[in-house]
Amino acid sequence: NAGVTQTPKFQVLKTGQSMTLQCAQDMNHNSMYWYRQDPGMGLRLIYYSASEGTTDKGEVPNGYNVSRLNKREFSLRLESAAPSQTSVYFCASTLGGGRREKLFFGSGTQLSVL
Amino acid sequence: GNSVTQMEGPVTLSEEAFLTINCTYTATGYPSLFWYVQYPGEGLQLLLKATKADDKGSNKGFEATYRKETTSFHLEKGSVQVSDSAVYFCALTANQAGTALIFGKGTTLSVSS
Repeated sequence: NAGVTQTPKFQVLKTGQSMTLQCAQDMNHNSMYWYRQDPGMGLRLIYYSASEGTTDKGEVPNGYNVSRLNKREFSLRLESAAPSQTSVYFCASTLGGGRREKLFFGSGTQLSVL
Repeated sequence: GNSVTQMEGPVTLSEEAFLTINCTYTATGYPSLFWYVQYPGEGLQLLLKATKADDKGSNKGFEATYRKETTSFHLEKGSVQVSDSAVYFCALTANQAGTALIFGKGTTLSVSS
């Protein structure tokens, strides 16, 4: 079982460049999430998709866009990268529909914006 | 709004010492509460959870009790091991289905032999 797969694992961008972080899960989960992790800040929610066809903003959505391509895939796009977006990005998924469920996390993407 | 506050780290302990990591929360209604653990270079994984007041979650020797009266969910372990060195996150979900987890800032635990 692959679980939640994120690509790439590492990326270096120059300010103003664009890129898309890919996330796929093979657990037939309905809900998917993008978080960023910064030192001393914990994990902060960027966007989430409660079910296929829906997306909602989280705590820190500015500078990002998302696409729920299908039930399996949820991508995060940086249109014009800024140094403040240097972070570790985690994708997560859950079956959805219940608040007692645990999240399954990918292994993260370490992004540096110079 | 909903929020989680954890004690700041790092926490440095010797092997076999007793561990407590404090977590308090603010939420409307009756949230579910979680502890997640992140080992170096990995994503987060669920350690334990509690879904209603007075529930005790437990796993791998770790325990936490959902205390509604003090809005707390402190993580404890009686005897830590070097392999417990990791970052620990307290988290909650609000009482609406489909809402996302809200995390605390994380507490780094370092255990030496």
